Amino acid sequence: DSGVTQTPKHLITATGQRVTLRCSPRSGDLSVYWYQQSLDQGLQFLIQYYNGEERAKGNILERFSAQQFPDLHSELNLSSLELGDSALYFCASSERPGHPATDTQYFGPGTRLTVL
Amino acid sequence: SQKIEQNSEALNIQEGKTATLTCNYTNYSPAYLQWYRQDPGRGPVFLLLIRENEKEKRKERLKVTFDTTLKQSLFHITASQPADSATYLCALDVDTGRRALTFGSGTRLQVQP
Repeated sequence: DSGVTQTPKHLITATGQRVTLRCSPRSGDLSVYWYQQSLDQGLQFLIQYYNGEERAKGNILERFSAQQFPDLHSELNLSSLELGDSALYFCASSERPGHPATDTQYFGPGTRLTVL
Repeated sequence: SQKIEQNSEALNIQEGKTATLTCNYTNYSPAYLQWYRQDPGRGPVFLLLIRENEKEKRKERLKVTFDTTLKQSLFHITASQPADSATYLCALDVDTGRRALTFGSGTRLQVQP
Protein backbone atom coordinates (compact mmCIF):
# COMPACT_ATOMS: atom_id res chain seq x y z
CA ASP A 1 0.00 0.00 0.00
CA SER A 2 1.58 3.28 -1.17
CA GLY A 3 -0.50 5.49 1.13
CA VAL A 4 -2.02 7.32 -1.86
CA THR A 5 -5.77 6.87 -2.22
CA GLN A 6 -7.87 7.42 -5.29
CA THR A 7 -11.63 7.37 -5.73
CA PRO A 8 -13.56 6.03 -7.42
CA LYS A 9 -11.89 2.82 -8.50
CA HIS A 10 -14.03 2.46 -11.58
CA LEU A 11 -16.13 4.96 -13.48
CA ILE A 12 -18.37 4.27 -16.44
CA THR A 13 -19.98 7.20 -18.18
CA ALA A 14 -21.19 8.41 -21.56
CA THR A 15 -19.64 10.69 -24.15
CA GLY A 16 -20.18 14.35 -23.48
CA GLN A 17 -20.38 13.90 -19.72
CA ARG A 18 -18.18 15.35 -16.99
CA VAL A 19 -16.48 13.43 -14.16
CA THR A 20 -14.29 14.22 -11.19
CA LEU A 21 -11.50 11.98 -9.97
CA ARG A 22 -10.19 12.41 -6.46
CA CYS A 23 -6.77 11.79 -4.94
CA SER A 24 -5.43 11.97 -1.40
CA PRO A 25 -1.63 12.05 -1.20
CA ARG A 26 0.54 10.26 1.35
CA SER A 27 0.71 11.99 4.68
CA GLY A 28 3.42 14.65 4.51
CA ASP A 29 3.65 14.78 0.71
CA LEU A 30 3.16 18.23 -0.73
CA SER A 31 3.27 17.43 -4.43
CA VAL A 32 0.57 15.67 -6.44
CA TYR A 33 0.83 14.44 -10.02
CA TRP A 34 -1.78 13.16 -12.45
CA TYR A 35 -1.06 10.68 -15.22
CA GLN A 36 -3.13 9.06 -17.93
CA GLN A 37 -2.40 5.55 -19.18
CA SER A 38 -4.36 4.19 -22.10
CA LEU A 39 -4.44 0.47 -22.87
CA ASP A 40 -0.91 -0.82 -23.45
CA GLN A 41 0.45 2.71 -23.52
CA GLY A 42 3.02 4.45 -21.39
CA LEU A 43 2.34 6.92 -18.63
CA GLN A 44 1.36 10.33 -19.96
CA PHE A 45 2.04 13.12 -17.52
CA LEU A 46 -0.89 15.51 -17.24
CA ILE A 47 -0.24 18.00 -14.48
CA GLN A 48 1.60 18.57 -11.20
CA TYR A 49 0.69 20.58 -8.12
CA TYR A 50 2.91 21.57 -5.26
CA ASN A 51 1.43 22.85 -2.03
CA GLY A 52 -1.71 24.07 -3.73
CA GLU A 53 -0.15 25.66 -6.77
CA GLU A 54 0.22 24.36 -10.31
CA ARG A 55 3.87 23.56 -10.91
CA ALA A 56 4.12 21.81 -14.25
CA LYS A 57 1.86 20.93 -17.12
CA GLY A 58 2.17 18.07 -19.54
CA ASN A 59 -0.07 17.00 -22.37
CA ILE A 60 -3.27 17.94 -20.61
CA LEU A 61 -6.25 18.70 -22.83
CA GLU A 62 -8.16 21.93 -22.38
CA ARG A 63 -11.22 19.84 -21.48
CA PHE A 64 -9.33 18.61 -18.43
CA SER A 65 -8.57 20.64 -15.35
CA ALA A 66 -7.26 19.97 -11.88
CA GLN A 67 -6.70 21.62 -8.56
CA GLN A 68 -5.07 20.92 -5.23
CA PHE A 69 -6.94 21.99 -2.12
CA PRO A 70 -5.60 23.41 1.17
CA ASP A 71 -5.76 19.95 2.75
CA LEU A 72 -3.55 18.81 -0.19
CA HIS A 73 -6.03 16.45 -1.77
CA SER A 74 -6.45 16.92 -5.49
CA GLU A 75 -9.21 16.56 -8.03
CA LEU A 76 -8.99 15.99 -11.75
CA ASN A 77 -11.99 17.15 -13.74
CA LEU A 78 -12.64 15.69 -17.17
CA SER A 79 -15.39 17.27 -19.26
CA SER A 80 -17.00 16.76 -22.68
CA LEU A 81 -15.74 13.21 -22.49
CA GLU A 82 -14.84 11.34 -25.65
CA LEU A 83 -14.34 7.63 -26.27
CA GLY A 84 -10.59 8.20 -26.44
CA ASP A 85 -10.54 9.45 -22.86
CA SER A 86 -11.10 5.89 -21.64
CA ALA A 87 -7.97 5.06 -19.67
CA LEU A 88 -6.45 4.46 -16.28
CA TYR A 89 -5.84 7.70 -14.44
CA PHE A 90 -3.14 7.59 -11.81
CA CYS A 91 -2.38 10.04 -9.09
CA ALA A 92 1.06 10.09 -7.49
CA SER A 93 2.53 12.10 -4.67
CA SER A 94 6.00 13.01 -3.53
CA GLU A 95 7.37 14.88 -0.58
CA ARG A 96 9.01 17.59 -2.62
CA PRO A 97 10.16 17.63 -6.24
CA GLY A 98 13.63 18.49 -7.37
CA HIS A 99 15.75 16.63 -4.87
CA PRO A 100 16.61 12.94 -5.07
CA ALA A 101 15.89 12.40 -1.41
CA THR A 102 12.32 13.66 -1.74
CA ASP A 103 11.37 13.18 -5.38
CA THR A 104 10.32 9.53 -5.35
CA GLN A 105 6.76 9.26 -6.56
CA TYR A 106 4.23 7.05 -4.82
CA PHE A 107 1.35 6.02 -7.00
CA GLY A 108 -2.25 5.37 -6.12
CA PRO A 109 -4.21 2.36 -7.38
CA GLY A 110 -5.72 4.37 -10.22
CA THR A 111 -9.21 5.14 -11.46
CA ARG A 112 -10.33 3.19 -14.50
CA LEU A 113 -12.51 5.42 -16.66
CA THR A 114 -14.67 3.91 -19.36
CA VAL A 115 -16.47 6.24 -21.73
CA LEU A 116 -19.27 4.58 -23.72
CA SER B 1 13.81 17.31 -28.45
CA GLN B 2 14.15 15.47 -25.18
CA LYS B 3 13.68 11.74 -25.37
CA ILE B 4 13.77 8.64 -23.16
CA GLU B 5 14.02 5.28 -24.90
CA GLN B 6 13.30 1.88 -23.48
CA ASN B 7 13.05 -1.25 -25.56
CA SER B 8 9.39 -1.55 -26.45
CA GLU B 9 9.74 -5.25 -27.26
CA ALA B 10 9.15 -7.63 -24.39
CA LEU B 11 12.16 -9.35 -22.90
CA ASN B 12 11.70 -13.09 -22.37
CA ILE B 13 14.19 -14.96 -20.23
CA GLN B 14 14.43 -18.22 -18.33
CA GLU B 15 14.07 -18.39 -14.58
CA GLY B 16 17.42 -18.11 -12.84
CA LYS B 17 19.03 -15.99 -15.56
CA THR B 18 19.94 -12.32 -15.30
CA ALA B 19 17.59 -9.86 -16.97
CA THR B 20 19.12 -6.65 -18.30
CA LEU B 21 16.93 -3.73 -19.31
CA THR B 22 18.15 -0.56 -20.96
CA CYS B 23 17.16 3.08 -20.63
CA ASN B 24 18.70 5.58 -23.04
CA TYR B 25 18.10 9.28 -23.03
CA THR B 26 19.01 12.22 -25.23
CA ASN B 27 19.25 15.95 -24.62
CA TYR B 28 18.97 15.56 -20.86
CA SER B 29 21.48 16.01 -18.09
CA PRO B 30 19.58 14.42 -15.24
CA ALA B 31 20.82 14.75 -11.70
CA TYR B 32 19.31 11.36 -10.94
CA LEU B 33 17.40 8.52 -12.48
CA GLN B 34 14.79 6.20 -11.01
CA TRP B 35 13.46 2.75 -11.87
CA TYR B 36 9.89 1.66 -11.21
CA ARG B 37 8.00 -1.59 -11.59
CA GLN B 38 4.44 -1.69 -12.92
CA ASP B 39 2.13 -4.69 -12.84
CA PRO B 40 -0.90 -4.79 -15.17
CA GLY B 41 -3.68 -2.47 -14.01
CA ARG B 42 -1.69 -1.17 -11.06
CA GLY B 43 0.31 1.95 -10.35
CA PRO B 44 4.10 1.96 -10.72
CA VAL B 45 6.14 1.13 -7.64
CA PHE B 46 9.50 2.75 -6.93
CA LEU B 47 12.48 0.38 -6.92
CA LEU B 48 15.79 2.26 -7.03
CA LEU B 49 17.26 5.71 -7.45
CA ILE B 50 20.77 6.42 -8.72
CA ARG B 51 22.43 9.82 -8.72
CA GLU B 52 24.62 11.23 -11.49
CA ASN B 53 27.77 10.80 -9.40
CA GLU B 54 27.04 7.14 -8.68
CA LYS B 55 28.14 4.50 -11.15
CA GLU B 56 26.22 1.63 -9.64
CA LYS B 57 23.54 0.94 -7.04
CA ARG B 58 22.37 -2.38 -5.65
CA LYS B 59 19.37 -3.58 -3.72
CA GLU B 60 19.01 -7.29 -3.09
CA ARG B 61 18.82 -8.92 -6.55
CA LEU B 62 18.58 -5.57 -8.35
CA LYS B 63 21.47 -3.57 -9.76
CA VAL B 64 21.36 -0.27 -11.62
CA THR B 65 24.17 1.44 -13.48
CA PHE B 66 24.24 5.01 -14.71
CA ASP B 67 26.63 6.15 -17.44
CA THR B 68 26.21 9.89 -17.98
CA THR B 69 28.68 9.84 -20.88
CA LEU B 70 26.73 7.21 -22.79
CA LYS B 71 23.45 8.70 -21.49
CA GLN B 72 22.36 5.25 -20.49
CA SER B 73 21.16 3.31 -17.47
CA LEU B 74 21.11 -0.47 -17.23
CA PHE B 75 18.79 -2.31 -14.85
CA HIS B 76 19.71 -5.86 -13.91
CA ILE B 77 17.71 -8.50 -12.08
CA THR B 78 19.85 -11.45 -11.08
CA ALA B 79 18.51 -14.95 -10.40
CA SER B 80 15.24 -13.88 -12.00
CA GLN B 81 11.96 -15.43 -10.91
CA PRO B 82 8.54 -15.64 -12.58
CA ALA B 83 7.33 -13.14 -9.94
CA ASP B 84 9.69 -10.58 -11.50
CA SER B 85 7.51 -10.53 -14.63
CA ALA B 86 6.24 -6.97 -15.00
CA THR B 87 6.88 -3.77 -16.91
CA TYR B 88 9.88 -1.77 -15.77
CA LEU B 89 9.98 1.99 -16.25
CA CYS B 90 12.88 4.38 -15.98
CA ALA B 91 12.25 7.98 -14.98
CA LEU B 92 14.46 11.04 -15.14
CA ASP B 93 14.33 14.46 -13.59
CA VAL B 94 14.28 16.64 -16.65
CA ASP B 95 14.41 20.09 -15.12
CA THR B 96 15.35 19.77 -11.50
CA GLY B 97 12.98 21.48 -9.16
CA ARG B 98 10.56 22.61 -11.79
CA ARG B 99 9.19 19.63 -13.61
CA ALA B 100 7.81 16.26 -12.76
CA LEU B 101 9.81 13.17 -13.47
CA THR B 102 9.60 12.09 -17.07
CA PHE B 103 8.88 8.39 -17.52
CA GLY B 104 10.00 6.12 -20.31
CA SER B 105 7.38 3.91 -21.91
CA GLY B 106 8.75 0.83 -20.15
CA THR B 107 9.99 -2.62 -21.07
CA ARG B 108 7.92 -5.70 -20.34
CA LEU B 109 9.86 -8.54 -18.75
CA GLN B 110 8.54 -12.10 -18.89
CA VAL B 111 10.39 -14.71 -16.83
CA GLN B 112 9.61 -18.26 -17.92
CA PRO B 113 9.65 -21.02 -15.25
